[in-house]
Amino acid sequence: GQQVMQIPQYQHVQEGEDFTTYCNSSTTLSNIQWYKQRPGGHPVFLIQLVKSGEVKKQKRLTFQFGEAKKNSSLHITATQTTDVGTYFCAGGRNNAGNMLTFGGGTRLMVKP
Amino acid sequence: DAGVTQSPTHLIKTRGQHVTLRCSPISGHKSVSWYQQVLGQGPQFIFQYYEKEERGRGNFPDRFSARQFPNYSSELNVNALLLGDSALYLCASSPPGLAGFTGELFFGEGSRLTVL
Repeated sequence: GQQVMQIPQYQHVQEGEDFTTYCNSSTTLSNIQWYKQRPGGHPVFLIQLVKSGEVKKQKRLTFQFGEAKKNSSLHITATQTTDVGTYFCAGGRNNAGNMLTFGGGTRLMVKP
Repeated sequence: DAGVTQSPTHLIKTRGQHVTLRCSPISGHKSVSWYQQVLGQGPQFIFQYYEKEERGRGNFPDRFSARQFPNYSSELNVNALLLGDSALYLCASSPPGLAGFTGELFFGEGSRLTVL
């Protein structure tokens, strides 16, 4: 079946440093979504990418979808303590409705 | 506006028992999905319901079942509980879209099930 892998599993950064998490799918995706889950919380939708090579920005966050629609990345510039949490990518396929395949997540810890 | 609401928030069961989890979607959302999140892992898809019909089923045994009611709320039922069913059960609703619903998921706080 489809698998979505994320690296790294954990990342410690000093506040102000940049952070990147990478996502790879074993199959071609129709779209990729990113979610953030704070400790003890629930996943919160960040963004959806659907086009090959698409790049979207949200303030300090930059999201990319690979040309082959099998990989994606999330880059955070100048991390803040409020960025702490686990970032999940989730791959969707055509005609699969809301059946997303989530990666294992990257847990970001920020030292003030 | 209220978000996705789930009940109960926490519950403890013993092996072999049955559990029912409930979910109310955001007003206007007709699609409800259920996900299981084991500690330290990403959510895993269980079911999607749209307009009271099952639209997708993940790789879970028949002990798991769900339904959606006319008011679009949903229940997830798990029979013959196993220790491995201990997890956070997340319900998510999706806004209306061209295909009936969008891909965007709005998650509730979840129901944390512990099986002893």
